[in-house]
Amino acid sequence: GAGVSQTPSNKVTEKGKYVELRCDPISGHTALYWYRQSLGQGPEFLIYFQGTGAADDSGLPNDRFFAVRPEGSVSTLKIQRTERGDSAVYLCASSLTGELFFGEGSRLTVL
Amino acid sequence: GIQVEQSPPDLILQEGANSTLRCNFSDSVNNLQWFHQNPWGQLINLFYIPSGTKQNGRLSATTVATERYSLLYISSSQTTDSGVYFCAVSSNDYKLSFGAGTTVTVRA
Repeated sequence: GAGVSQTPSNKVTEKGKYVELRCDPISGHTALYWYRQSLGQGPEFLIYFQGTGAADDSGLPNDRFFAVRPEGSVSTLKIQRTERGDSAVYLCASSLTGELFFGEGSRLTVL
Repeated sequence: GIQVEQSPPDLILQEGANSTLRCNFSDSVNNLQWFHQNPWGQLINLFYIPSGTKQNGRLSATTVATERYSLLYISSSQTTDSGVYFCAVSSNDYKLSFGAGTTVTVRA
C-alpha cells in the first residue's frame, strides 16, 4: 500500500480482555516497528522486526505483550489481560533503509 | 539509552513569523528524524537528517552531529504548521528515542 496501515483505529475494551492490533507495512519494507505513545509524551519503542524475526523486543513492558510477523509483512501486536495502564496510542512504523514511516496508530482505551 | 532534549517545550507564533526548534542529544547517532504530529495524531516525516542541511519548502533542518544537536527552522509560519514537532534519534538505525516534543501554535 501507499503507507503504513493500522487497524483498528480505535479500540475500547474492558480490563482483563485480550486485544489484537494489526499493522500492514509499506510494501517492500523489511523492517517493522511497534511504538507506544501516552498522552503528552513522545512515542516509546516496543519491538523491532527484521523480516519474520523479532530482532529486539526489549521495549515490551511485560509478558502480557507479544508481537508476531509470521510472513515478514503484516504484524500483530497482542495484549493479554489488559490493564487500564495499557491505554495509549500504539504506533506501527516500517522502513527499508533506516528512515521510519509511521501509520496513524491504534488508540486503545481500557475501561 | 540516548537522551533527547527539545526546546522550547511550547511556542506561540503569529502567522508569518519565523522560528527555530532545537534538539540536543546525549550520544553519537546514525539516524535523526524530525516529525510533525498533526492534531489527528499522525506522525508526518519532515526530515531524515543524521548530518548536514536539508530544505523542503518553508522548512529546513541542520544537524551538527559532532556537537550533538539539530535545528528545525520554520519560515513564514502558517496555521497549518500547528502541532507537535518531535525529534527522534538512534545509534543503531532502528531504535528511535524521541524527545518530549515542541508544541507549536500558529495564530492567524
